[in-house]
This record gives sequence, structure tokens and C-alpha cells, in this order.
Amino acid sequence: QKEVEQNSGPLSVPEGAIASLNCTYSDRGSQSFFWYRQYSGKSPELIMFIYSNGDKEDGRFTAQLNKASQYVSLLIRDSQPSDSATYLCAVNRSRGSTLGRLYFGRGTQLTVWP
Amino acid sequence: DGGITQSPKYLFRKEGQNVTLSCEQNLNHDAMYWYRQDPGQGLRLIYYSQIVNDFQKGDIAEGYSVSREKKESFPLTVTSAQKNPTAFYLCASNSGNADTQYFGPGTRLTVL
Repeated sequence: QKEVEQNSGPLSVPEGAIASLNCTYSDRGSQSFFWYRQYSGKSPELIMFIYSNGDKEDGRFTAQLNKASQYVSLLIRDSQPSDSATYLCAVNRSRGSTLGRLYFGRGTQLTVWP
Repeated sequence: DGGITQSPKYLFRKEGQNVTLSCEQNLNHDAMYWYRQDPGQGLRLIYYSQIVNDFQKGDIAEGYSVSREKKESFPLTVTSAQKNPTAFYLCASNSGNADTQYFGPGTRLTVL
């Protein structure tokens, strides 16, 4: 079983819609959860991180975490064509420590069409 | 201007040659990482280092070597033992009291 699993997509939504990206993880002891955005040919850039159950909002982005279900999601409201990218979910088993390492999913490719 | 730099941006290698990819950071981060990304794949950890003069193997260390002689620098050598080295190589770092990793711009290695 993979550490982190994502739907590979591609996910296609119209401009202005809500894009929902999902991620599940296998280690119940995981503590920190990250979403990165990666444009084609570029390196990943951090969008959001979440540590606690519930929702965390930052502008048009909302991260949702449910540790009981081992599930983390990213919602993008009012999607724009510039949001078209691959979104990587990453999980760290420890919090606030360099002893942990990130486990990445394969990413979900999102296309927002005008 | 703080950040993580990687060089070169593109690198071409003949089969049988060793090549070294550079990664430098001026963020005063303790930990540094090397990942490999293949098309349609997630990031796979090659090596990581939490402190100077110490490093650990990741999931796909075979055919690679690293050194950490300075806090700012974590070079990766792709040896001739790596059978399929063509990939996008990413360096990342994070500070000692945070687990959020930040990435450099990457090096795209192609074996001719």
C-alpha cells in the first residue's frame, strides 16, 4: 500500500467552479500535511499546510483534514486558468522536526478551462 | 535574496560518466533533501541530510552519492551505476523547527 495516494486525474473544471482534490494516507500516526502546486517543467511550490482536523482557509484555497478517515483534501474556489497545474499531496509523520521526511503522492493534474 | 539555487538548469551526460548536481541554500536551513521526479510520477527521495557531515539514504539511493561538508551546500553525484538517470532532480530544504520543505528550481538531466 502506498504511503500517499491521489487520484491522478486529469481533473477538468470550468473557470469559476470549485476544484476538489483528494488525498489519502496510510500511516495513522502522520502529523503534518502539505499541498504543493507544480506547473509543467517547474519545481513544486507550497500552497498550504495543515496539522489539525478541520478546515484551514487561505484566500481561494481551503485544506480539509480528517485524521480518523486518513483523508486530506484541497478545495480551490473560483478556479482560474492559472490554477491549471499538478497538485501534490505530501505527508510527514512527525511535526516540527527534521527527523520526519515527506512522502509525496503522484499528483493530480488539474485543468481549468475558460 | 534568500532561496535555494540549483545548477545547472539542464545537464546532458554521456553513458558511463559521473555528473554532479549543485544545490545551495542561504536560508540557514538545517535539513536538505534530494528528490527525483519522472514523468507522471511523484517525488522519490534519494538522500537527505539533517546536519553537516551526516546524511541518510532515501528510497532510491542506489547509483547516487552525496556530501554535506557545509550547511549551505548539498551536492548530488549521479554515478555511472545509476542505470536510468534521465529525470528531473529537485533539491529541497527546511529549518530545524519546521517541517515545511521548500524547493529549488530543479535540474533536468538527460543521458545521451
